[in-house]
This record gives sequence, C-alpha cells and structure tokens, in this order.
Amino acid sequence: QQQVKQSPQSLIVQKGGISIINCAYENTAFDYFPWYQQFPGKGPALLIAIRPDVSEKKEGRFTISFNKSAKQFSLHIMDSQPGDSATYFCAASNSGNKLVFGAGTILRVKS
Amino acid sequence: GAVVSQHPSRVICKSGTSVKIECRSLDFQATTMFWYRQFPKQSLMLMATSNEGSKATYEQGVEKDKFLINHASLTLSTLTVTSAHPEDSSFYICSASLAGGRSYEQYFGPGTRLTVT
Repeated sequence: QQQVKQSPQSLIVQKGGISIINCAYENTAFDYFPWYQQFPGKGPALLIAIRPDVSEKKEGRFTISFNKSAKQFSLHIMDSQPGDSATYFCAASNSGNKLVFGAGTILRVKS
Repeated sequence: GAVVSQHPSRVICKSGTSVKIECRSLDFQATTMFWYRQFPKQSLMLMATSNEGSKATYEQGVEKDKFLINHASLTLSTLTVTSAHPEDSSFYICSASLAGGRSYEQYFGPGTRLTVT
C-alpha cells in the first residue's frame, strides 16, 4: 500500500520532443505528489508538485497530470532539451509526512 | 530560498571509525529533517525522520545504534555513522521541511558520498 510504481525505467527522447513519465499509487491517504530531478552526484531538486484537488498543474515546460480515480499521476516535459537529461523521481506523502519514492526514470534527451 | 547544505560532500574513512555528516537549512527553519541513503542507480531509501528536540524515528531495518541522528536546532541535524564498514559506503542525503506546517515541500541537500575502506 505504501508503494509508488514508476515507469518507464529509462526513456530516450529527441530534442524538442515530449517526455512522459508515469506513476501509480495505492494509498488513498496520499495527498501530496511531488516530482524530483536528480543529476549524477547531486541531491534531488524539487521540480513541481500537485495536491489531489486539481487535475493538472503547469510550471514552464513541466506539467503534472493527476487522475485521482485511477490513482495515477504523470510528468510531462515539453520541448525536452539535452539539459533535461537526468533521473526523475515521483513521490507521494500523507499530509507532508515521509515521502514514498518511485524507483526513478533515467531520461536521456538526444540532440 | 529553501536551501539545504550538507558537509562534508565527500568523505573517505577507515573501517571501524565513525563519521559525522551535517545537514543545515540555510534560509529557513526546519521542524523536520529526513535522512536518506541512495545506492548507485537506485531510488532514495528513507533511513529516519528527525524532529527538532526529540528522538529520531527510524525506518524498519535501520540500526539506530549505528546511525545516530541528532536534531539539536531548527537549522541543524547530524548523522553519525558509528563503526563504519565497507557496506556502509553509500550516498547519504538529507532533506528538510519548512517549520510550522505551512508547506509539504521537502528540500534536499546536495548529498554526502561516504566511502569506507
């Protein structure tokens, strides 16, 4: 029940394309869903986050889509750039308590 | 804003010695700090949650006597790896959440690479 399942494990996208990463959860008590970006040897950086009262949130080229009934949420990176190449983690928490992380997606954007 | 620092960024120690890692929230007060470890090409594994002024809560399977956590102030938490062994070599990352329950965001430090020889 505490798991967050993330897919795909890795993703290759052409420059300018759309990168899509998906996550699914079981615990209906989760009410906060962030996405983190991590470069090699660095700590994760908060990209964007959503609460379950909205179905979509957009910040620049990054969009979270949230489907409460399906218990799924996804990250869309529009106009993907080589600098976006990193590992992306979805996560979930209940009222700001400990985060449960997905397994991560290694994104490579080809120029 | 919301910057978290860690010190040191890299440390190499001999087997059997202890190592202390500091985590500081630089521009905000953190009621709660979290400690994670991350193995290569894997996700973050939560080790413990620490609240200022109280004992840390450890995740199942994490030895509290081996990984000592102190959260002495709203801006500083420390993780001490006692009697380190090669299997403790890992990337240790802390995170901090804003005090006062205003936000659910966790902000991560840059991580500390521990190598035990």
